[in-house]
Amino acid sequence: DAGVIQSPRHEVTEMGQEVTLRCKPISGHNSLFWYRQTMMRGLELLIYFNNNVPIDDSGMPEDRFSAKMPNASFSTLKIQPSEPRDSAVYFCASTPSVILAGLQETQYFGPGTRLLVL
Amino acid sequence: AQTVTQSQPEMSVQEAETVTLSCTYDTSESDYYLFWYKQPPSRQMILVIRQEAYKQQNATENRFSVNFQKAAKSFSLKISDSQLGDAAMYFCAYRSAYTGNQFYFGTGTSLTVIP
Repeated sequence: DAGVIQSPRHEVTEMGQEVTLRCKPISGHNSLFWYRQTMMRGLELLIYFNNNVPIDDSGMPEDRFSAKMPNASFSTLKIQPSEPRDSAVYFCASTPSVILAGLQETQYFGPGTRLLVL
Repeated sequence: AQTVTQSQPEMSVQEAETVTLSCTYDTSESDYYLFWYKQPPSRQMILVIRQEAYKQQNATENRFSVNFQKAAKSFSLKISDSQLGDAAMYFCAYRSAYTGNQFYFGTGTSLTVIP
């Protein structure tokens, strides 16, 4: 299994530009999570999906952030327009079906996207 | 929402020695799952060990073990025979057995291993 795949691994952009981060969860996993990690705020949950449906987006900072999951194998996190304070490492994680794996199953993290907004 | 507290922002240990990282959590639930994740400089999040709250026996994975005290809501990680590769940020996490798939993470403990 390839694990959770994120792209790009690194992104450098200028303030005001649109940034799109991509995630491919592990095949068969039906829950997907987007996290942001900074030195100041630690690991923050931004949004998570169950069966492609957003369940909790209360962690999304503001309207500049949006996330979609058009199908079970792909999700995007978009920032438009980007600002320097958005600089962080963004993680995607997935978990398998609760029915198949039980509630004890862990989250599997992708390698993260390191975003730098100048 | 549940809260997870790691009161030690930084810890250090001599190579080959033992170190214990602390974690406490706040919940009113009786059944849940607890995890320790390791994040090395590569930034990858790696599962170290997990514990089911209904099990009294402490989980063990090779050099890693936990001390789970349910009444005290404490879940510490013990690393024995520390190795240089253990140097990383360690996160404690909580997951409810009742409500959804959401994980709650602590703020992390940075572990330095001294040669």
